[in-house]
Amino acid sequence: DVKVTQSSRYLVKRTGEKVFLECVQDMDHENMFWYRQDPGLGLRLIYFSYDVKMKEKGDIPEGYSVSREKKERFSLILESASTNQTSMYLCASSRDTENTEAFFGQGTRLTVV
Amino acid sequence: AQSVAQPEDQVNVAEGNPLTVKCTYSVSGNPYLFWYVQYPNRGLQFLLKYITGDNLVKGSYGFEAEFNKSQTSFHLKKPSALVSDSALYFCAVRDNSGNYGQNFVFGPGTRLSVLP
Repeated sequence: DVKVTQSSRYLVKRTGEKVFLECVQDMDHENMFWYRQDPGLGLRLIYFSYDVKMKEKGDIPEGYSVSREKKERFSLILESASTNQTSMYLCASSRDTENTEAFFGQGTRLTVV
Repeated sequence: AQSVAQPEDQVNVAEGNPLTVKCTYSVSGNPYLFWYVQYPNRGLQFLLKYITGDNLVKGSYGFEAEFNKSQTSFHLKKPSALVSDSALYFCAVRDNSGNYGQNFVFGPGTRLSVLP
């Protein structure tokens, strides 16, 4: 069974902390994505990676960075967490062909206090 | 740029009745369209996709979707709704307009409530 695993389901961090959200996929997918989900705004793309060490900014990259040192792992980094980054974060992966679907992790609900 | 619209924030339907969740899209090339479902505090689950061929696509849990090129629509349907179908539904298009890779563009979501 295919799997995308996010390291935490729930996370509470303090303002100014550096936060790491980890995502691992076991499907040998080329593409990996980080989305943020907020009520009424749907899913917004933060960053995506199309290969190891390769990344592209999405729609809302400000305040975030990413790392992809190995094909199976894609990390989202909040350099200095702020309260407006309180949200649900979703990781996904897919093959790099346009007719294939994405597979999602279970999500990380981050609260910044 | 690709975009997806879901014109209804909320759809209510009685159990046993047919349901429709609407989606319209805008793409610059061939449309690759997807439907996902999200249950509370969970990630998104893939339901079905349209790539090419038959305009009626069948997917998981008895769902199907009808692709209409002239109306640029991809509506999700089910002949007989279940209370357990109550969830948030997202329509998406695969965006291949970027220089590298192909990401997904999602609609805002439609909350489906099936009433017993």
